[in-house]
This record gives sequence, structure tokens and C-alpha cells, in this order.
Amino acid sequence: SYVLTQPPSVSVAPGQTARITCGGNNIGSKSVHWYQQKPGQAPVLVVYDDSDRPSGIPERFSGSNSGNTATLTISRVEAGDEADYYCQVWDSSSDYVFGTGTKVTVL
Amino acid sequence: QVQLVQSGAEVKKPGASVKVSCKASGYTFTSYDINWVRQATGQGLEWMGWMNPNSGNTGYAQKFQGRVTMTRNTSISTAYMELSSLRSEDTAVYYCARGRSIFGVVSFDYWGQGTLVTVSS
Repeated sequence: SYVLTQPPSVSVAPGQTARITCGGNNIGSKSVHWYQQKPGQAPVLVVYDDSDRPSGIPERFSGSNSGNTATLTISRVEAGDEADYYCQVWDSSSDYVFGTGTKVTVL
Repeated sequence: QVQLVQSGAEVKKPGASVKVSCKASGYTFTSYDINWVRQATGQGLEWMGWMNPNSGNTGYAQKFQGRVTMTRNTSISTAYMELSSLRSEDTAVYYCARGRSIFGVVSFDYWGQGTLVTVSS
């Protein structure tokens, strides 16, 4: 089965840049989506197809994907960005797979 | 606006079944797949399966094959997920999510509010 590995936590000061990685075998050949989940709430799609943003998502959220690592970048971090973030891909052997999740803490 | 509204919390005994509903509004129900994702307390997201509301076709994660059934009622724009032979490990929040396909790449663009299913004797 296909496995996506994320760091358990990332800490960042307000105004700085947070980078959340998602590791998977040759993930650069797949389309990666990213979801934000705040406590007690449903996930929200923040980046799809590696680097596209749904309407209403700030430009501060961006994504990239190459080789064995995809990255979600949050620029000019705000207190409201504190949440869990999950990457997701589709794989022929595993169907839809989510990453292990990363908790972003704003210091 | 697009909304997915799920049924309320459930408490079930081990071995029982649970059926969660997901009512769609704000878009053409039969034009987008519905996926089901669950999340145990403090854990990550786990995809369970998908259903095409137009055809009724389904696809289930191997882990849930034989225990999960996804159906729909197009007249009321509602999808259902039934999980049988419940065990304590099935205690989780269950979400429905709309699958949006762009050139064959599917992301989950709208989610229901979640339904807590508790399995306890």
C-alpha cells in the first residue's frame, strides 16, 4: 500500500513561513491535495492538484511537488492558520490515501 | 451554496450496524461522487469508499470490503453509508465529502459536518 509521511508538528512565529512536507515514493508523479482541519471542524481543501487554490483560499497558501516530496507552504502565517494539515493522493494500489497529518502551531 | 448535511450522532452496541445519511444541496447531486472518510479521536483521516450518485456504482477501501455499503436516494439528494458488524475500533467521526474531478484528478472540495458514531457495550 502507498504511504504518505508528514512531520507530526511544525511551529512557526506569526508573519513567518511554514513549510509542511509530505513524503511518498515518487509522489512527484501524482497529484497532491492538501486539507486544513481546525479542532472540532471538518477538513477544508486548501490546495488541489499540487499547487492550485480553491476560490476563497488566501494566496498565502501554496504548494509544490517534485521527486519524493510534496510541500505545502504557508506564507505570512497568522494565528488563524493554526490547525492540522493533511496531504492526499490517489494511488492505483491504495485508492485515496491521506498523509499522517501535521499539527501547525503558531507561536 | 453547496452544503452537505449529515445525520446526528449514534451510539451502537458491538455487532450492530449503523447508517449515516448525507443530504446534499446547492448543486446537482448526480453530477459529483460522494466519498466517505472517517476519523477516530485524535487520529488521522481514513478514506472508506466512494459512490457515484448517478449510476449507483461504488468502490470501497479494501479494509471495509464486506462491511460497508454506500447507497443513495436521488429523489431527496441524499447519500447513505452503512457499516455493519461494528466493533469498538469503529468509534469515530464519519464524514461525507464531495469528489470534484478535474481532468480525472479528484479532490474533496466540500465536506459534511461529521457524524460521531460511538460503539460501546
